[in-house]
Amino acid sequence: DIQMTQSPSSLSASVGDRVTITCRASQSIGSSLNWYQQKPGKAPKFLIYGASTLQSGVPSRFSGSGSGTDFTLTISSLQPEDFATYYCQQGYITPRTFGQGTKLEIK
Amino acid sequence: QVQLVQSGAEVKSPGASVKVSCKTSGYSFDNFGVSWMRQAPGKGLEWMGWINTYSHINYAQTFQDRVTLTTDTSTNTAYMEVRGLRSDDTAVYYCARDSVDIADNWFDPWGQGTLVIVSS
Repeated sequence: DIQMTQSPSSLSASVGDRVTITCRASQSIGSSLNWYQQKPGKAPKFLIYGASTLQSGVPSRFSGSGSGTDFTLTISSLQPEDFATYYCQQGYITPRTFGQGTKLEIK
Repeated sequence: QVQLVQSGAEVKSPGASVKVSCKTSGYSFDNFGVSWMRQAPGKGLEWMGWINTYSHINYAQTFQDRVTLTTDTSTNTAYMEVRGLRSDDTAVYYCARDSVDIADNWFDPWGQGTLVIVSS
């Protein structure tokens, strides 16, 4: 199975900050990397597919990059509604696997 | 709009079975697959398996022996059954729209989740 490792596991930041979350795959997955946002008690929300393509309706302050084994999710200017847990997921092969999550908290 | 609506919370005894439904609407059920994930309390997301309406199914090895995925094309509903429930199966179970084949995929949108509690 492909292991997905996110860092950091948690992150404290302030409104307006620029933050970056990293996701590393245990083997190359090309650009088959997706990102999700999850708020407490809610289902995950799909943000980015193909490593860098924003899903329709996702604010442009979110961006993704990377290929192969190393990927990043960047939020350019944090808004109050962005405080949540973020997961990466590889869509390259089955079993589909997720990173362990990065909890973004208010400083 | 595209929606996946899941059945309600369940409380089961150890050893019992549970069947969760996922009713889809707003898109052509035949043109997409459905994946199932679960999330134990305070934990991350775990993929359980994928199914399409062409009888193609792919299970995570962890669940191969205890989980059955099915679809009903007359009602555009997907089902997930877990047998031999244990306390560590206590989790929120999610369905999500997936690709029609097992190739490059993403999950969008997700159902609202179904809490399954396994307790004696």
